Amino acid sequence: QQQVKQSPQSLIVQKGGISIINCAYENTAFDYFPWYQQFPGKGPALLIAIRPDVSEKKEGRFTISFNKSAKQFSLHIMDSQPGDSATYFCAATIAYSGAGSYQLTFGKGTKLSVIP
Amino acid sequence: NAGVTQTPKFRVLKTGQSMTLLCAQDMNHEYMYWYRQDPGMGLRLIHYSVGEGTTAKGEVPDGYNVSRLKKQNFLLGLESAAPSQTSVYFCASSYVPGQTNYGYTFGSGTRLTVV
Repeated sequence: QQQVKQSPQSLIVQKGGISIINCAYENTAFDYFPWYQQFPGKGPALLIAIRPDVSEKKEGRFTISFNKSAKQFSLHIMDSQPGDSATYFCAATIAYSGAGSYQLTFGKGTKLSVIP
Repeated sequence: NAGVTQTPKFRVLKTGQSMTLLCAQDMNHEYMYWYRQDPGMGLRLIHYSVGEGTTAKGEVPDGYNVSRLKKQNFLLGLESAAPSQTSVYFCASSYVPGQTNYGYTFGSGTRLTVV
């Protein structure tokens, strides 16, 4: 069973602080690592994604850091805002090597609460 | 541009009843997926399809059937509902892996309760 382990399960951060969510994977063939954001009552939405040929990708206040040797990647949310309160899922799959696995393997999610 | 549309949004079933969940996408995606989401379990793949007329089992397929007769539609059926199938069901679609714009688009979900 290919797994992606996500931590912490829940996270409380003060407004303006940095939120950090970590994921670890086992399958070294994974080559696509997206993060999804889910608000209550909504479906997950793609937030940001990275491929293993880069160590960091930044989009606005959201940054993915990728450590290929440690098989870990993390999401950093800078200047966290109450509107960022949501559940975040990391995921991984084989998308670009030609041996597509057809499915994303998801972490179990982190519920982020940003308090004013 | 509607993206991925799921119907119904809510449903209550009695044990043993059957129902079909409909997913429709208007992005010309080849791949479609059905996931269930349960507290503490994340998203688990039920069935998926890599093209019209094809389906395959995911991680938790028991008790479900699917069909993809048209490229834009992916149906999830419960033949005899059980309380263990109480969950939120999400449909998703994507382009073929390997394309530069690869990524899942999710619907807004169907909340199913089996009593």
